[in-house]
Amino acid sequence: GDSVTQMEGPVTLSEEAFLTINCTYTATGYPSLFWYVQYPGEGLQLLLKATKADDKGSNKGFEATYRKETTSFHLEKGSVQVSDSAVYFCALSDSGYSTLTFGKGTMLLVSP
Amino acid sequence: DTGVSQDPRHKITKRGQNVTFRCDPISEHNRLYWYRQTLGQGPEFLTYFQNEAQLEKSRLLSDRFSAERPKGSFSTLEIQRTEQGDSAMYLCASSLVIYGGTGAGNEQFFGPGTRLTVL
Repeated sequence: GDSVTQMEGPVTLSEEAFLTINCTYTATGYPSLFWYVQYPGEGLQLLLKATKADDKGSNKGFEATYRKETTSFHLEKGSVQVSDSAVYFCALSDSGYSTLTFGKGTMLLVSP
Repeated sequence: DTGVSQDPRHKITKRGQNVTFRCDPISEHNRLYWYRQTLGQGPEFLTYFQNEAQLEKSRLLSDRFSAERPKGSFSTLEIQRTEQGDSAMYLCASSLVIYGGTGAGNEQFFGPGTRLTVL
């Protein structure tokens, strides 16, 4: 079945540091890939997505590129801010299906 | 606020009791999903509706669980004879899928969740 594996956290960074959160997936079809973010006390929000190979999703300075050859969708940001502290979830929906399969989440803590 | 809402936000119950949660999706959305999230894990799919029809159920949804969306608007999730293992955050999400589409790749909008604690 489908699965998503993401790096374990917490990831602890200083403000303005470079961020990478790794995400790899297993799917039977051609999935769409997502990053969702959960800020403290809030619900899940879509951060970015990519629906086909080599697409790059971007939002709020975050980027992720759909790499079919490595089955990966790593999240990156060039300069993190304290306000980026949250839990980040990588997810997929397999082709023909809309239900989401999530990774376990990675907590990001950014200190001033 | 026109987002997804869930009620109650917190529920504490004793083992063996029945509980019911409600989800109000974004009004024009035709798909409604239920997920369960336990501590340290990502959300896991439970079931989803297209309008009032329940189209898919996960094997996680035991026969103690039942979900309805009677008029294609709000939905309820009922857990009968609760067990301590049912303690989790129950998340509702909604999306708009065009007629004939699969919905794959569509953004799902999540509510704040209902946290269930079974004592």
